[in-house]
Amino acid sequence: GAVVSQHPSRVICKSGTSVKIECRSLDFQATTMFWYRQFPKQSLMLMATSNEGSKATYEQGVEKDKFLINHASLTLSTLTVTSAHPEDSSFYICSARDFQDRHTIYFGEGSWLTVV
Amino acid sequence: AQSVTQLGSHVSVSEGALVLLRCNYSSSVPPYLFWYVQYPNQGLQLLLKYTTGATLVKGINGFEAEFKKSETSFHLTKPSAHMSDAAEYFCAVSDQETSGSRLTFGEGTQLTVNP
Repeated sequence: GAVVSQHPSRVICKSGTSVKIECRSLDFQATTMFWYRQFPKQSLMLMATSNEGSKATYEQGVEKDKFLINHASLTLSTLTVTSAHPEDSSFYICSARDFQDRHTIYFGEGSWLTVV
Repeated sequence: AQSVTQLGSHVSVSEGALVLLRCNYSSSVPPYLFWYVQYPNQGLQLLLKYTTGATLVKGINGFEAEFKKSETSFHLTKPSAHMSDAAEYFCAVSDQETSGSRLTFGEGTQLTVNP
């Protein structure tokens, strides 16, 4: 089946630094990718919708200058957490919609971010 | 606006018993409905989806769900639970007008399978 790969799976960074998380669709083209945040024992919260070649659409309450999203190609979207703080520590999950099957969305394995 | 309610944050069953995870949705337009499973520290895996057509949908690992418009429900069932079914399950909805692009998730149900 279709595969979405996230990298890194785990990352620890110091407060004030920036960290980039990559999301790749390995065997399909994804014109739309989504970034979610998940706190322990909670559901997924949509942060933003990333469209290839255009600006991301952020959900209400998500700081676009803090969570930079780039979707430069049909197989890659990146989330950069800028000036990270401990409260940004979370599980970040991306998903991708298959260009040829719009009703199916595949999820990455997730990335654990710990800010110390 | 759409929303999903999963009744029961924790469900515990014995191995071999019926699994029933409840999901009710709210949508002003015809919905697309999904069930995902999440194992610890992993992403989500699609179990099954309803878009149009047959209201009884069969998915992977022996799971199935039935779309009942009159009850606004999309409950997930499996006739016989296996230890490997222990995981977190999420019901999700999106609307057909946006071609199923944005998913709204329920709070999740943690399934425990007892030997």
